[in-house]
Amino acid sequence: DVKVTQSSRYLVKRTGEKVFLECVQDMDHENMFWYRQDPGLGLRLIYFSYDVKMKEKGDIPEGYSVSREKKERFSLILESASTNQTSMYLCASNLPRDRRYGYTFGSGTRLTVV
Amino acid sequence: AQSVAQPEDQVNVAEGNPLTVKCTYSVSGNPYLFWYVQYPNRGLQFLLKYITGDNLVKGSYGFEAEFNKSQTSFHLKKPSALVSDSALYFCAVSPLMDTGRRALTFGSGTRLQVQP
Repeated sequence: DVKVTQSSRYLVKRTGEKVFLECVQDMDHENMFWYRQDPGLGLRLIYFSYDVKMKEKGDIPEGYSVSREKKERFSLILESASTNQTSMYLCASNLPRDRRYGYTFGSGTRLTVV
Repeated sequence: AQSVAQPEDQVNVAEGNPLTVKCTYSVSGNPYLFWYVQYPNRGLQFLLKYITGDNLVKGSYGFEAEFNKSQTSFHLKKPSALVSDSALYFCAVSPLMDTGRRALTFGSGTRLQVQP
């Protein structure tokens, strides 16, 4: 089975800190995604990447950046964390040429900014 | 732009009764449609999908979904609910014919509560 691993389940950071959320997938998927999940808002796309060093903005990219230096790893960066970035962050991956199977998700990182 | 609406924040049903979780969508062209389930403190798990073909799609854990093109709906159903079905359910849509560079758009989620 494909595995998508997010390095931390829970994180607590201070306002203004630079925060790195890491995601690794082990099945050579080309596409990787970062979503944030908030109650009543569902999942909203922050950024996605369809190849190494390639990235596209999603619906809510402000305050975030991403890095994809290797195919298996997709990092989400909060340049200066703020309390309104307290949320659940979900990473996902898929193969674009086989979109029948949707995405494989990681277990999520619950980030609290204090 | 594509969008998904899940009109119910929560659905309550008694164990053993049939359940329906509603989803409507808007997308250019023919859609890919998905249902995912999320258990507490976990990521999303794939339940089922519609690509083409039979409008009734069967998925995991006894769930099924009915695609209705004229009503642009993709409601999730199960004939007999279990307490263990209690979870958060998300509908998602993506265009059928694209380059693979457009991400899934998710609904706001519906919390299913099955009472014993």
